[in-house]
Amino acid sequence: DTGVSQDPRHKITKRGQNVTFRCDPISEHNRLYWYRQTLGQGPEFLTYFQNEAQLEKSRLLSDRFSAERPKGSFSTLEIQRTEQGDSAMYLCASSLSALAGGGNEQFFGPGTRLTVL
Amino acid sequence: GESVGLHLPTLSVQEGDNSIINCAYSNSASDYFIWYKQESGKGPQFIIDIRSNMDKRQGQRVTVLLNKTVKHLSLQIAATQPGDSAVYFCAEIPRPTSGTYKYIFGTGTRLKVLA
Repeated sequence: DTGVSQDPRHKITKRGQNVTFRCDPISEHNRLYWYRQTLGQGPEFLTYFQNEAQLEKSRLLSDRFSAERPKGSFSTLEIQRTEQGDSAMYLCASSLSALAGGGNEQFFGPGTRLTVL
Repeated sequence: GESVGLHLPTLSVQEGDNSIINCAYSNSASDYFIWYKQESGKGPQFIIDIRSNMDKRQGQRVTVLLNKTVKHLSLQIAATQPGDSAVYFCAEIPRPTSGTYKYIFGTGTRLKVLA
């Protein structure tokens, strides 16, 4: 499978704990995005990387959230001191920039469902 | 703020009939629109896209219509099948010159196909 993969698929944690999610984009894609999706809602943008540079962050990304893409390939999203309101599906997407020969389409992974008890 | 919304949260359609899912957007400067399909437990899957300089685009069994005058987008699915049951989202993409690449998604419409 050469699509976007995410790990873990499900995570249950207690309030106050830290969690880290991983995203492996499509290998040649230089852009990577994180979104959060709550039940019945569309995905909400969190942050975006071009290669290893984090170029855009939403105000939804509080100081408890941090994302990295150290080598411009996989990315991690960490949530510190989790709160019940953090319970959601965390989606990762990747795309290839137009300069690199891509279009606008973002390809989504299956998501990581986080439940904070 | 900018938003993309959907008129109908749930749509029930008889198998074999045509489905029409609607979406309103608010940012007239948006350059590009995509319809995504999301099945339970999966990430959104690309269905069809349309640029702002087009009014209509057809794919296999799907057609997207864009009415920029009223900022309205629709997805038409011909001969709806059970496998079409899912939640459908429209996404609004800003122009590259805007400096942002984030998609703005609407709430979603659940399509239920009745046998």
